Amino acid sequence: GEDVEQSLFLSVREGDSSVINCTYTDSSSTYLYWYKQEPGAGLQLLTYIFSNMDMKQDQRLTVLLNKKDKHLSLRIADTQTGDSAIYFCAEKYNQGGKLIFGQGTELSVKP
Amino acid sequence: DAGVIQSPRHEVTEMGQEVTLRCKPISGHDYLFWYRQTMMRGLELLIYFNNNVPIDDSGMPEDRFSAKMPNASFSTLKIQPSEPRDSAVYFCASSLRGVGGAAEAFFGQGTRLTVV
Repeated sequence: GEDVEQSLFLSVREGDSSVINCTYTDSSSTYLYWYKQEPGAGLQLLTYIFSNMDMKQDQRLTVLLNKKDKHLSLRIADTQTGDSAIYFCAEKYNQGGKLIFGQGTELSVKP
Repeated sequence: DAGVIQSPRHEVTEMGQEVTLRCKPISGHDYLFWYRQTMMRGLELLIYFNNNVPIDDSGMPEDRFSAKMPNASFSTLKIQPSEPRDSAVYFCASSLRGVGGAAEAFFGQGTRLTVV
């Protein structure tokens, strides 16, 4: 079955690193994604990783993929108050265009 | 392009009434998704279309829910009759599935539905 799981909340201090974790079930996923949702808005793509990669870095963002354990993480370096949002992990399921999202992790950044 | 456009942004209706949510995807995109977001259940995929054809509607909760895509630039999600437990934010998203591409999904601003 399709399932993407995340922890619901994370609180960090400004300037610290944040690590948001996600587990998924579909081993045939080709792409895995991180989306960000700010209050009252739709989701926006932050970054993605192809399933044959272990790591992808994009400025303050680092994505790590452990395909054996079906574990994905997003690290935000030097977290800022503007990073406060809900972060969703998603997988592209099987061969189609279907995107399955986790429940979202609410990141709270304290000054 | 203006992005994915949803209307209305907010809808308040009485239980038993019919509700129609509308979506205009990004021009040229061949996938369209309807999601529902609630505090309890997170973001759930209700149905998605490819080239205007419904591919998977297994997420549609009940027969009260129906979705159509009469052409490439318009889709509707209808709830009839509506119930208080349908209160949620409904998102439409579209994507273009290129060969070998990541197929980023672009989301609309959502419709906040309140059924009283």
